[in-house]
Amino acid sequence: GNSVTQMEGPVTLSEEAFLTINCTYTATGYPSLFWYVQYPGEGLQLLLKATKADDKGSNKGFEATYRKETTSFHLEKGSVQVSDSAVYFCALTTPNDYKLSFGAGTTVTVRA
Amino acid sequence: DTAVSQTPKYLVTQMGNDKSIKCEQNLGHDTMYWYKQDSKKFLKIMFSYNNKELIINETVPNRFSPKSPDKAHLNLHINSLELGDSAVYFCASSQDVGGAEKLFFGSGTQLSVL
Repeated sequence: GNSVTQMEGPVTLSEEAFLTINCTYTATGYPSLFWYVQYPGEGLQLLLKATKADDKGSNKGFEATYRKETTSFHLEKGSVQVSDSAVYFCALTTPNDYKLSFGAGTTVTVRA
Repeated sequence: DTAVSQTPKYLVTQMGNDKSIKCEQNLGHDTMYWYKQDSKKFLKIMFSYNNKELIINETVPNRFSPKSPDKAHLNLHINSLELGDSAVYFCASSQDVGGAEKLFFGSGTQLSVL
């Protein structure tokens, strides 16, 4: 089946620090990969996605590259802000799967 | 206007009670979902409906019964609530089946069973 493993948190950073959250996956079939973000008290929102190998998804200064050879989709941001404090979820779906499978979520706290 | 709205936001109840959570989406999407998020933030799908028809039921106890009166609504009824049902429940929708399309989530219902 499909599964996602992501870096355990919590992660605490200072403003302007570099952020990396590791995500690896196993999938039956060719997956599409996603990062979702959950701000405090809210539902999840799509942050970025990539649908084929070597694609790079990007949004709000965040980037992730679909690496088929290492089955990874690590999330990076070069300079985080306090407003980036949230829970980040890596997710995937495959054709005919009819659902997203999520990783366990990584809580990120950015301090001023 | 809120795209995916669910009510109530908080629900506190006793073990053994029956409760419902309502969800509505005004995006014109064909597919709706219920996800359960536990205290460690782990998110697991429970149900998925496409045009009022059940397409996913992920080994959820039959105390949980989703009902979709039309494709804009997917309500969740829970019978004989147990302590382990305490969690945050999220409703979501997407244009098509599969989740490859962007999912839009509601803001969650925090259920506490005492």
